[in-house]
Amino acid sequence: GAVVSQHPSWVICKSGTSVKIECRSLDFQATTMFWYRQFPKQSLMLMATSNEGSKATYEQGVEKDKFLINHASLTLSTLTVTSAHPEDSSFYICSARDRVWNTEAFFGQGTRLTVV
Amino acid sequence: AQSVAQPEDQVNVAEGNPLTVKCTYSVSGNPYLFWYVQYPNRGLQFLLKYITGDNLVKGSYGFEAEFNKSQTSFHLKKPSALVSDSALYFCAVRDIQYNNNDMRFGAGTRLTVKP
Repeated sequence: GAVVSQHPSWVICKSGTSVKIECRSLDFQATTMFWYRQFPKQSLMLMATSNEGSKATYEQGVEKDKFLINHASLTLSTLTVTSAHPEDSSFYICSARDRVWNTEAFFGQGTRLTVV
Repeated sequence: AQSVAQPEDQVNVAEGNPLTVKCTYSVSGNPYLFWYVQYPNRGLQFLLKYITGDNLVKGSYGFEAEFNKSQTSFHLKKPSALVSDSALYFCAVRDIQYNNNDMRFGAGTRLTVKP
């Protein structure tokens, strides 16, 4: 149980285009999902907290108009990187917390974004 | 606010030897504590957690961790390391005063187990 599926696992896009990353909890309901960015050989940097049915809460320094988050259901959150630039290239990871148990979070497999 | 420190960037051990990956934390209330492992280009896999109860918690793949409140530590241990344990390990803390807040992660410790 407690599987989080993130799609795509890797994507290459051109500068100026937008990319959508999906995060799904497959066997549990998640009222809260989290989006992280990880730079090479570094820890996870929390970008935003996504709550089902409400606006995401962004961490300081994260542009909400650039990183659009939608959490339309209890099993799906999406991150859209708009007008991508090469500096947006990174490893993006989502996590979800079970609505009932609400203790540990379970992570997707990550998305490697490369902007050329 | 909660925070986590992993004082070692790198830990090297020989296969078959015991391993320890250190973690200390800081919270204003009572902590939930977690260990995750990450393999290259993958997400994080949950290993174990401390919520309440016994200070020694056992998790996946033979790992265990001991919660020490006086030292605010939650070190990860394994009695006999395997080469396949080589990976990046993250300690995380969540302050249970705030029900929906996120975990904060340490910087990570790269464990290398040599044959």
